[in-house]
Amino acid sequence: DVKVTQSSRYLVKRTGEKVFLECVQDMDHENMFWYRQDPGLGLRLIYFSYDVKMKEKGDIPEGYSVSREKKERFSLILESASTNQTSMYLCASSFVAGIETQYFGPGTRLLVL
Amino acid sequence: RKEVEQDPGPFNVPEGATVAFNCTYSNSASQSFFWYRQDCRKEPKLLMSVYSSGNEDGRFTAQLNRASQYISLLIRDSKLSDSATYLCVVNDAGNMLTFGGGTRLMVKP
Repeated sequence: DVKVTQSSRYLVKRTGEKVFLECVQDMDHENMFWYRQDPGLGLRLIYFSYDVKMKEKGDIPEGYSVSREKKERFSLILESASTNQTSMYLCASSFVAGIETQYFGPGTRLLVL
Repeated sequence: RKEVEQDPGPFNVPEGATVAFNCTYSNSASQSFFWYRQDCRKEPKLLMSVYSSGNEDGRFTAQLNRASQYISLLIRDSKLSDSATYLCVVNDAGNMLTFGGGTRLMVKP
């Protein structure tokens, strides 16, 4: 079974703090993704990576950055957290070849006060 | 980005009922299609892929209509455990997925 893990299930941070969310997958997937999910807005893609050290902006990259130093690990960074970044953050991974579905981690519920 | 639209519901149905969800997508070049299921406060999980010829998995049937650009999911003999949000997902290019907002199903005893 594919396993995607995220560093925290719940996180509370203060406005202006730097926040690191980590995601690890154990299936040697090339592609990794970060989404946020908000009521009424569905899942929105923040960033994705198709290889180590490679990254591409998704639909809503503002206020976020990412890091992929190893194939199995993809980090999302909030440089200066703001209250509008309170959300559920979901990491996903997939193989690069063919038309492939994505496997999700359990999510991190982030509250920015 | 192109869009995927779903009726958010909720669909409230009794156990044993048949329920159907539709989803429309705007990008005619979309290549593959999926239904995901998401339980409350959990991550989305793949329910089934949707093939051009239609496909069935137990009580679940998925259909694709490329001409009208919609996808459907039919659930027969609904169970309490089917209560969840069902996400319509479209692959536009490579491994980029576009998610619908989800349709919430509540199956009541």
